[in-house]
Amino acid sequence: AQKITQTQPGMFVQEKEAVTLDCTYDTSDQSYGLFWYKQPSSGEMIFLIYQGSYDEQNATEGRYSLNFQKARKSANLVISASQLGDSAMYFCAMRVNQAGTALIFGKGTTLSVSS
Amino acid sequence: EAEVAQSPRYKITEKSQAVAFWCDPISGHATLYWYRQILGQGPELLVQFQDESVVDDSQLPKDRFSAERLKGVDSTLKIQPAELGDSAMYLCASSFGVSGPQETQYFGPGTRLLVL
Repeated sequence: AQKITQTQPGMFVQEKEAVTLDCTYDTSDQSYGLFWYKQPSSGEMIFLIYQGSYDEQNATEGRYSLNFQKARKSANLVISASQLGDSAMYFCAMRVNQAGTALIFGKGTTLSVSS
Repeated sequence: EAEVAQSPRYKITEKSQAVAFWCDPISGHATLYWYRQILGQGPELLVQFQDESVVDDSQLPKDRFSAERLKGVDSTLKIQPAELGDSAMYLCASSFGVSGPQETQYFGPGTRLLVL
């Protein structure tokens, strides 16, 4: 069965520090996409970063990087130099190839950044 | 920057009433998704459209929910009658393609529904 697991309900970090949010996935497909989204308290889902299963290099987008370890089926998000505005819920998601191309999401990790 | 539009942002209704949500995807995005997010959980797919056709509605409670995308652009999700358990955030997303970076789904601001 397709599944995303985020084992950290909450993470706490100080400004300017780096933080890693964990994500493991389970799929029997060879072709899949992995995503990270940020959801502030206002509710909108903000796309952060994408990794394709055939991409050989880890994805990077500004302060965000995705540590993709295919053999371990992990796709951890690394945020460098945390900012107060990074405080939010973070969701890992995977595109599944069943009837459609919908995303399945993990339960999320709440990140709190303090000054 | 192009965005997915949704309305209303908030909706309070009484159980057994009908409610409708509207979504306008990013221009040129052929694929449109409706997700439901219960507080404290990740979003779950309700229905996926490719242009005006339904691709996946296997998780849509069809006895009370309906969705349409008549001209392959904007979409409406309806609940009739609403039940207490329908209280949630309803998120619309769109994507340009279905593989590679083009499959990235961009979300609208969502509609928070409260059923009393």
